[in-house]
Amino acid sequence: KAGVTQTPRYLIKTRGQQVTLSCSPISGHRSVSWYQQTPGQGLQFLFEYFSETQRNKGNFPGRFSGRQFSNSRSEMNVSTLELGDSALYLCASSFGTSGGEQYFGPGTRLTVT
Amino acid sequence: GDSVVQTEGQVLPSEGDSLIVNCSYETTQYPSLFWYVQYPGEGPQLHLKAMKANDKGRNKGFEAMYRKETTSFHLEKDSVQESDSAVYFCALTQTYGQNFVFGPGTRLSVLP
Repeated sequence: KAGVTQTPRYLIKTRGQQVTLSCSPISGHRSVSWYQQTPGQGLQFLFEYFSETQRNKGNFPGRFSGRQFSNSRSEMNVSTLELGDSALYLCASSFGTSGGEQYFGPGTRLTVT
Repeated sequence: GDSVVQTEGQVLPSEGDSLIVNCSYETTQYPSLFWYVQYPGEGPQLHLKAMKANDKGRNKGFEAMYRKETTSFHLEKDSVQESDSAVYFCALTQTYGQNFVFGPGTRLSVLP
């Protein structure tokens, strides 16, 4: 079974621009979560989507948004990029049932200059 | 809100040493507990899990016991190998949600 895929793997953007990252979950998984990973803050939860609805949201500004499509694929968008948004953005998928484990993709490395 | 703390920074055992990486959590509910491992250039991958109190997760010689009375889930191994070198994250999720909370990570570097 194919794992979680994320595109692109690497991205360089300039301050003020916006960016869209894509995630394809494992087949049959209906939940997709997004995390930001930085050396200083570790793994921080951004949001979770289940059946096209945002089910949970972390403590990030409104510049960070996401959506999920009917085939469970998900995108996240960051508008008005800041230098501090440079990070590894990880997507994780799961069946979405209570207490179940998540499976992570390799991440998208975003660098903001 | 929920939180997870674990052994900070880096641990540097020699090959064949025993290992304990501490993990403690705070929550008002009934979480599932996990250890994830992350190798360079990859996303975290599930290492072991325990779904309820007194469960023991096991994988590749590692063990962790879900102790509700001490709110802990320490990762242990009798004899570490160089190939165990990676970053380990302790995490919890609530029984009725998918919001994972991760600890800060512990870098395990096993010396040959």
